[in-house]
Amino acid sequence: DAGVTQSPTHLIKTRGQQVTLRCSPKSGHDTVSWYQQALGQGPQFIFQYYEEEERQRGNFPDRFSGHQFPNYSSELNVNALLLGDSALYLCASSNPGIYEQYFGPGTRLTVT
Amino acid sequence: AQSVTQLDSHVSVSEGTPVLLRCNYSSSYSPSLFWYVQHPNKGLQLLLKYTSAATLVKGINGFEAEFKKSETSFHLTKPSAHMSDAAEYFCVDINKYIFGTGTRLKVLA
Repeated sequence: DAGVTQSPTHLIKTRGQQVTLRCSPKSGHDTVSWYQQALGQGPQFIFQYYEEEERQRGNFPDRFSGHQFPNYSSELNVNALLLGDSALYLCASSNPGIYEQYFGPGTRLTVT
Repeated sequence: AQSVTQLDSHVSVSEGTPVLLRCNYSSSYSPSLFWYVQHPNKGLQLLLKYTSAATLVKGINGFEAEFKKSETSFHLTKPSAHMSDAAEYFCVDINKYIFGTGTRLKVLA
């Protein structure tokens, strides 16, 4: 039973560029949440997708957008990258009404 | 406003001694509180969860936590620390998807 997978593992981008991160949820899960974890801090909730729609959103600008596909996998897109976007991006999957979230290993994004 | 506060950013204990990681919450409703652990270069793993059932919650690897409404606390404890417990621990209000700032546990030989 595969857990949550994320790709790529590491990524280096330049300020102003755009990036797409990918996530496949744990088998049987249909809800995907994205978090940003800056160095030395706790994860911060970006948004959650269920039934291919954004259901909840944290305090992140519109530069952060996402998508969920019919197979429940998800993408996180960040436009106009800033140095401050450098962080570990975590994907978590769950089922509606079930609080427990399973996390992937994350994608380390470095913006130079 | 932050709904969970982890009172210690770093905790050091000797192997075999008790562990106490403190978490206070602020909420106008009964929260659903989790503890997650993050080992270096590994994903977050759920240790235990409180969802308004029993106030004393047992988790994996010998950890447990007690929900105390009168003290608005959900402290994580373990009777005897092991070297493998060294990691970052996060208290989480899962209703609001809010993580605490984390406590780094160091276990000394």
